[in-house]
Amino acid sequence: AQSVTQLGSHVSVSEGALVLLRCNYSSSVPPYLFWYVQYPNQGLQLLLKYTSAATLVKGINGFEAEFKKSETSFHLTKPSAHMSDAAEYFCAVREDGGATNKLIFGTGTLLAVQP
Amino acid sequence: DGGITQSPKYLFRKEGQNVTLSCEQNLNHDAMYWYRQDPGQGLRLIYYSQIVNDFQKGDIAEGYSVSREKKESFPLTVTSAQKNPTAFYLCASSARAGAGGYTFGSGTRLTVV
Repeated sequence: AQSVTQLGSHVSVSEGALVLLRCNYSSSVPPYLFWYVQYPNQGLQLLLKYTSAATLVKGINGFEAEFKKSETSFHLTKPSAHMSDAAEYFCAVREDGGATNKLIFGTGTLLAVQP
Repeated sequence: DGGITQSPKYLFRKEGQNVTLSCEQNLNHDAMYWYRQDPGQGLRLIYYSQIVNDFQKGDIAEGYSVSREKKESFPLTVTSAQKNPTAFYLCASSARAGAGGYTFGSGTRLTVV
């Protein structure tokens, strides 16, 4: 069965510093992987997704993620943090088999950006 | 523009009352989902539906009920049997298969007093 693990429930960076949010997955089949962002009291918004094409995926707001099969990882990065990046970030993997689109979510990482 | 609408944004109810949360989508998605979100616990799946007139329990279905009479609509009822109903509730939809991921609504914050 699939699962995702997000290392670090809270991450704090300075404005302008590199953002690195970690996600490791477990899957018995080639995975479809997603990163979502949630601002306070709002729904989740898709940042980017990996669907077995290019291993480096670019998303919105300057974020990107690299799929590394050997490390079973899909870490989210942004070269330079902005105050507006402060939010909660969720990694997700599509459930095994692909017969449905049901996603399994990690527990989230809350990103704080310090001035 | 296509999207998914949850209403109301904030809901207050007295303990012991049933309450229904609305979720409507115009994305022509077959699948719809309800999640509950509590601080520090991520998203927990309550119910999901892959097709009209069919739905399945998720991980925390006790105290909740749903219906799927129309493709566009997937209302969630929080019953008096739910022990701790105060939470943020998120509805999502997706194509039935493929690689698209979910589209989420903006959520309903339910407070039971």
